Amino acid sequence: DTEVTQTPKHLVMGMTNKKSLKCEQHMGHRAMYWYKQKAKKPPELMFVYSYEKLSINESVPSRFSPECPNSSLLNLHLHALQPEDSALYLCASSHPRGRSSYEQYFGPGTRLTVT
Amino acid sequence: AQTVTQSQPEMSVQEAETVTLSCTYDTSESDYYLFWYKQPPSRQMILVIRQEAYKQQNATENRFSVNFQKAAKSFSLKISDSQLGDAAMYFCAYRFNNDMRFGAGTRLTVKP
Repeated sequence: DTEVTQTPKHLVMGMTNKKSLKCEQHMGHRAMYWYKQKAKKPPELMFVYSYEKLSINESVPSRFSPECPNSSLLNLHLHALQPEDSALYLCASSHPRGRSSYEQYFGPGTRLTVT
Repeated sequence: AQTVTQSQPEMSVQEAETVTLSCTYDTSESDYYLFWYKQPPSRQMILVIRQEAYKQQNATENRFSVNFQKAAKSFSLKISDSQLGDAAMYFCAYRFNNDMRFGAGTRLTVKP
């Protein structure tokens, strides 16, 4: 199984709502990532979890709150978002450094619209 | 900070022809990884090819090959015998530890 799944595929939320994005993988990867991708732009790294611990936070606003409950699951909790947060949110996973298969596997993304 | 530059926003190739996409990067590290990812309109990021910086031999995957010039910090992708299904946005990416950086992307059009 070389698949990263993300739910939901689409999400529309108001600025006062609280919602969560979910990402799951069963490849035994111990590094998981959240990216934000605006239209016609490259993915921008938001958070990295390594062995279930937050290792990179790219100065993301606190209205985005990541969580890694176990080695297979990654959540992104959303609260009080702004319209400019509308984007495609991609999850990825990989082996941590030192393994030969080092590439990141990406999920299909969640298209988020903030109204 | 590591940066990745793709100087060709758009490229076009005739079906069955060969095209080369350019990528340069800036880093002070010696042990890193480079990747080319493809993102079709369906938006799924798909790995095309990877290159370990410690390997001198250029990576190849079927019709895809790279020209890795470590000293010049250059990592170009060659697509041979282009197919209609190759049409997509192509991103060059650099990875050091768990930090991954992408170039701005090159949109490849394949003409029948």
